[in-house]
Amino acid sequence: DVKVTQSSRYLVKRTGEKVFLECVQDMDHENMFWYRQDPGLGLRLIYFSYDVKMKEKGDIPEGYSVSREKKERFSLILESASTNQTSMYLCASSTGQEGAKLFFGSGTQLSVL
Amino acid sequence: RKEVEQDPGPFNVPEGATVAFNCTYSNSASQSFFWYRQDCRKEPKLLMSVYSSGNEDGRFTAQLNRASQYISLLIRDSKLSDSATYLCVVNRDDKIIFGKGTRLHILP
Repeated sequence: DVKVTQSSRYLVKRTGEKVFLECVQDMDHENMFWYRQDPGLGLRLIYFSYDVKMKEKGDIPEGYSVSREKKERFSLILESASTNQTSMYLCASSTGQEGAKLFFGSGTQLSVL
Repeated sequence: RKEVEQDPGPFNVPEGATVAFNCTYSNSASQSFFWYRQDCRKEPKLLMSVYSSGNEDGRFTAQLNRASQYISLLIRDSKLSDSATYLCVVNRDDKIIFGKGTRLHILP
């Protein structure tokens, strides 16, 4: 079974803090993604990566950055957390051949106070 | 117009009934299609791909209508455990587009 592991299930941070969300997958997948999910807005793509050291902006990249130094790990960074970044963050991975068959981590519920 | 649209529901359906819902997509260049399932407070999981000829997986049947630009999911003999949100996903030029989901409640 593919396993996508997100480092924290729940996280509480203060406004202005730098926040790191970590994601690790164990299936040697090329593609990795970060989404946020909010009630009524569905899943929105923040950033994605098709290879090590490669990153592409998704639909809502503002206020976020990412890092992919190793194939299995994709980190999401909130440079200066704000209350409107309170959300459920979901990491996903997929193979290069079947890119739309995503395997998701269990999510991190981030609250920014 | 949103690229992928779903009726948000909820669909309240008695156990054992058959339920079907659709998802429409606006871009005729869309290439592949999927249904995902998301349980409450859990992550989305791939339920099934949708093929042009239609495909079945147990009680679940998925169909694609390219002419009218929609996909459908039919669940037969519904179980309490089918209660979830069903997300339609469309793939176009390596862009993965999620619908906002249809909520399904199976009633005992």
